[in-house]
Amino acid sequence: DAGVTQSPTHLIKTRGQHVTLRCSPISGHKSVSWYQQVLGQGPQFIFQYYEKEERGRGNFPDRFSARQFPNYSSELNVNALLLGDSALYLCASSLRGVQGNSPLHFGNGTRLTVT
Amino acid sequence: GENVEQHPSTLSVQEGDSAVIKCTYSDSASNYFPWYKQELGKGPQLIIDIRSNVGEKKDQRIAVTLNKTAKHFSLHITETQPEDSAVYFCAASSGGADGLTFGKGTHLIIQP
Repeated sequence: DAGVTQSPTHLIKTRGQHVTLRCSPISGHKSVSWYQQVLGQGPQFIFQYYEKEERGRGNFPDRFSARQFPNYSSELNVNALLLGDSALYLCASSLRGVQGNSPLHFGNGTRLTVT
Repeated sequence: GENVEQHPSTLSVQEGDSAVIKCTYSDSASNYFPWYKQELGKGPQLIIDIRSNVGEKKDQRIAVTLNKTAKHFSLHITETQPEDSAVYFCAASSGGADGLTFGKGTHLIIQP
């Protein structure tokens, strides 16, 4: 079975631009979460979606948004990019939402560089 | 919100020796504690997890212990091998809408 797949693997953007990152969960998993990992730090929670509804949101500005599609894939959008948005963006899927603590399985991430 | 502290930040052990990584958490409502291993260029891989109704869990060379009173949990790796070299993260969750809260990671180096 394929694991969590993310695209693109690497991306370079300029300050002020917009970016869309994509994620396909493990087959059968209905929940997708997004995390930001800055170099040398642990991942930080951005969003969780379950059954196409937002179920949780971390401490990130409104420039960050996401959605989940009927096939359970997901997109993370970031507007008005700042240099500080440079990071590894990780997508994780689980059978159920974090509520109930279903184990998260991560993809290999999208490395975003903002110049 | 939850705060997870992880120590040490770097741990170097001889191949075949044991390694212990320790984490503390602040939110007494946290009830799920996973450990992840992250290799260079890859996403975190779940290696073991424990829930708050269990004090210890073991899977071959890996074990995790949980002390709810002290809000402390630890990862133990025995008979370390070169392929154990990686960054290890602990995390905690209360099952609410805040997702997993991760520690800052431990870079484990296995010396041949």
